[in-house]
Amino acid sequence: LAKTTQPISMDSYEGQEVNITCSHNNIATNDYITWYQQFPSQGPRFIIQGYKTKVTNEVASLFIPADRKSSTLSLPRVSLSDTAVYYCLVGDMRDRDDKIIFGKGTRLHILP
Amino acid sequence: DVKVTQSSRYLVKRTGEKVFLECVQDMDHENMFWYRQDPGLGLRLIYFSYDVKMKEKGDIPEGYSVSREKKERFSLILESASTNQTSMYLCASSLAGGVDTQYFGPGTRLTVL
Repeated sequence: LAKTTQPISMDSYEGQEVNITCSHNNIATNDYITWYQQFPSQGPRFIIQGYKTKVTNEVASLFIPADRKSSTLSLPRVSLSDTAVYYCLVGDMRDRDDKIIFGKGTRLHILP
Repeated sequence: DVKVTQSSRYLVKRTGEKVFLECVQDMDHENMFWYRQDPGLGLRLIYFSYDVKMKEKGDIPEGYSVSREKKERFSLILESASTNQTSMYLCASSLAGGVDTQYFGPGTRLTVL
C-alpha cells in the first residue's frame, strides 16, 4: 500500500490558484491517485482521480508526472468556500483488500 | 445520487454501555466502511466489509465489532463503550474495492461519559 505525504496546512487568498502536492514514492503499477475534500462536520467527498498525466473536471485538475511519484491537485480561483481538508489517497481500484488510508490531509485555509 | 445515512447525528452514552451505530446505503454498493475521525489524527479505518456477512479489520478494530446481515446495512458495535471512544464516526460505501469512490454519510458524533 503506497504511503502518501502532503503538507499539513496551507493558506491562500480568494481568487488565487492553489496547488497541493502529494508525494507517493512507492506507488505501484496498478495504483490510482484519488483526492477527497472534507468540510467541517461533514464526511469527505470525492474530487478527482487519475492514473497519469492530467485529469480535469469542473472542480479541479490533477497533474501526475511521468514517474507518478507525486501528484498535484490544482484548484483554480479559490473562494472562501474552498476552505477544507484535502486528502490524497493512492491504491489499486481492483483490489478490494487494498485498504484506503486517508491520513491527516492538508488543511487549506482561504483568506479574503 | 448515492445516499448514505447514519442513524444518529449526535449520541451520548455512558461508560460500559453497548452502543450500536447504524449505516444504510441505497445504491446497492458492495463495500461498506466504518471510520473514526479525531482531531490531529485524520480518518482511521475501523472495519470494512465487501459482502454480506463478510468483514475485514481496518487499522484500529480493537474495542469494536461490526455486523452486515443485509447488503445495504452495516452496523458498528461498541460492546462496552469507553471514554476513549468519544469521536466522530463516519460510514462510507463504494461500488467496487480499493480506491473506488467512497460515498460518506454525515457522521455520528459520539460522546461517552
